[in-house]
Amino acid sequence: GQQVMQIPQYQHVQEGEDFTTYCNSSTTLSNIQWYKQRPGGHPVFLIQLVKSGEVKKQKRLTFQFGEAKKNSSLHITATQTTDVGTYFCAGPLWSGAGSYQLTFGKGTKLSVIP
Amino acid sequence: DAGVIQSPRHEVTEMGQEVTLRCKPISGHDYLFWYRQTMMRGLELLIYFNNNVPIDDSGMPEDRFSAKMPNASFSTLKIQPSEPRDSAVYFCASRVEGEPQHFGDGTRLSIL
Repeated sequence: GQQVMQIPQYQHVQEGEDFTTYCNSSTTLSNIQWYKQRPGGHPVFLIQLVKSGEVKKQKRLTFQFGEAKKNSSLHITATQTTDVGTYFCAGPLWSGAGSYQLTFGKGTKLSVIP
Repeated sequence: DAGVIQSPRHEVTEMGQEVTLRCKPISGHDYLFWYRQTMMRGLELLIYFNNNVPIDDSGMPEDRFSAKMPNASFSTLKIQPSEPRDSAVYFCASRVEGEPQHFGDGTRLSIL
């Protein structure tokens, strides 16, 4: 079935280093969303990308949507301990049961070593 | 805004027992989603409702799981009978058309 794949599964970085997580879909997406889940918390919406090649920034976070709208990335510059958590991408995929479902990748768990 | 409210926050019960998870969506949101999160399978959509009507339940694992939304401000997810493999964090989320989802704090379910 249609999937959203995310790599890496885990990433350990020293505080101040950069971090990137990648998201790939088996099919073209109309949009892609990114969420962050802090340890013990719930996913919180960060951003949505809609246009081919779109780039959006939120302070130290840079989000990109690929030209083919099948991949996306999240880059964090100079990580801080507050960036710790799991980052998920999610895209609407046809469920096969008559509707599009927001399908989440498995996430990238970021650890930041002070 | 109170956000999506789930109860209970934690539930520990023995296998074979009935478990009922509850969710109050954000007022005015017409979509409600139930997710299950485990280490192995990640975040899985179980079922979602639009205007209180179940639209897609293809993610519900088996007949032991059922979900209802009797009105716009309340939904339940029921597991009967429960099994140890049902242990997970269950999230409820809601949204309005064209907007992102807002998740509740989740219910951490342990079946012994």
